[in-house]
Amino acid sequence: GAGVSQSPRYKVAKRGQDVALRCDPISGHVSLFWYQQALGQGPEFLTYFQNEAQLDKSGLPSDRFFAERPEGSVSTLKIQRTQQEDSAVYLCASSLGGGGYGYTFGSGTRLTVV
Amino acid sequence: AQTVTQSQPEMSVQEAETVTLSCTYDTSESDYYLFWYKQPPSRQMILVIRQEAYKQQNATENRFSVNFQKAAKSFSLKISDSQLGDAAMYFCAYRLPHGSGNTGKLIFGQGTTLQVKP
Repeated sequence: GAGVSQSPRYKVAKRGQDVALRCDPISGHVSLFWYQQALGQGPEFLTYFQNEAQLDKSGLPSDRFFAERPEGSVSTLKIQRTQQEDSAVYLCASSLGGGGYGYTFGSGTRLTVV
Repeated sequence: AQTVTQSQPEMSVQEAETVTLSCTYDTSESDYYLFWYKQPPSRQMILVIRQEAYKQQNATENRFSVNFQKAAKSFSLKISDSQLGDAAMYFCAYRLPHGSGNTGKLIFGQGTTLQVKP
């Protein structure tokens, strides 16, 4: 597609519920990043994929967070047993490669845990 | 660890005037990239301007320019002839070059909300 697409745009989950957030990057983009952005704060890195390989998951806050990109294109961020502190905007960004390539961001999914 | 600090939570500017947003960062690396991103209410991060650390010349993009002071680890954004459409949250960001174990992940500051008054 022309841009990075994320769905759903909004998600309300009851505490304890599992959620899955989808990111559809620009076709052909090798690199894919997930970020978590709390209200009024800057985004914080969660995880990085190069094609289907998850090369860095150092930013995932707990083992309740899991991300995958099985065919090197669409990625899913899954949060198990959601808690109130998981409420945030989850941004996805993709890029053609490394080096000086720019990143294209999606519009994010706003997750609210009640 | 690398950090990025934006000390101005909010800034205000009159339409057609000039405003400068501040950013400082901390790193022990000599080769890196710096960015300013704009985030409107639509939430999508839009790249405003980028600077390679090895370039001494300050980057410019139309009404946007930076003042990059490598020794002081300072990277401010100047917006000239401010327009109503410039109102948004602005983030300063840093990243290392991709490769040699670096993923190229962005490290963001806390953001500055810019209000443009008509």
